[in-house]
Amino acid sequence: AQSVTQLDSHVSVSEGTPVLLRCNYSSSYSPSLFWYVQHPNKGLQLLLKYTSAATLVKGINGFEAEFKKSETSFHLTKPSAHMSDAAEYFCAYTGTASKLTFGTGTRLQVTL
Amino acid sequence: DAGITQSPRYKITETGRQVTLMCHQTWSHSYMFWYRQDLGHGLRLIYYSAAADITDKGEVPDGYVVSRSKTENFPLTLESATRSQTSVYFCASIPTGGGSDTQYFGPGTRLTVL
Repeated sequence: AQSVTQLDSHVSVSEGTPVLLRCNYSSSYSPSLFWYVQHPNKGLQLLLKYTSAATLVKGINGFEAEFKKSETSFHLTKPSAHMSDAAEYFCAYTGTASKLTFGTGTRLQVTL
Repeated sequence: DAGITQSPRYKITETGRQVTLMCHQTWSHSYMFWYRQDLGHGLRLIYYSAAADITDKGEVPDGYVVSRSKTENFPLTLESATRSQTSVYFCASIPTGGGSDTQYFGPGTRLTVL
């Protein structure tokens, strides 16, 4: 079955250090993959998406993700964390009828 | 301002009561979706609609009913609310059925069933 797995439920980094949020997918074809961010008591905002064009995808707020078919991964990175990056991050893919299937989320904590 | 709105934003109800959550989008997007968000589960699809008068079940449809008589509205009804339906509900929409389309989410409705 197609799915995404977020490998960490919680990640804590210091401000100014790199961020790595991990997502693996399981699919028999090349899916469309997404990263969404959710700040407290807010809706979801798209960070970036992969749609079989460039494997390195740049998103908003300095985030980027690399699609690695050999590793079935789509990890989200940022070179330098900011306090405002503290939020919940969701990896997701679309299957049939554009239905999004989400991972269980990774809560990013940024400390001073 | 164009966008996707949900109402109410917060709702407290009692077990057994009927509750309707509203979703309205101003873009004339074809597809609309309802998700629920629960700790440890991420977001799970309840129902979706490809166009007016076309709806289909998602992953967790039991206990919910939807309708879509107009393109811009997609109400979600809990016919007899249960405590297990306490959750945050998100509505989303996309222009077409393309797999790469970005879904745009509403701000959510926090529902508490006592």
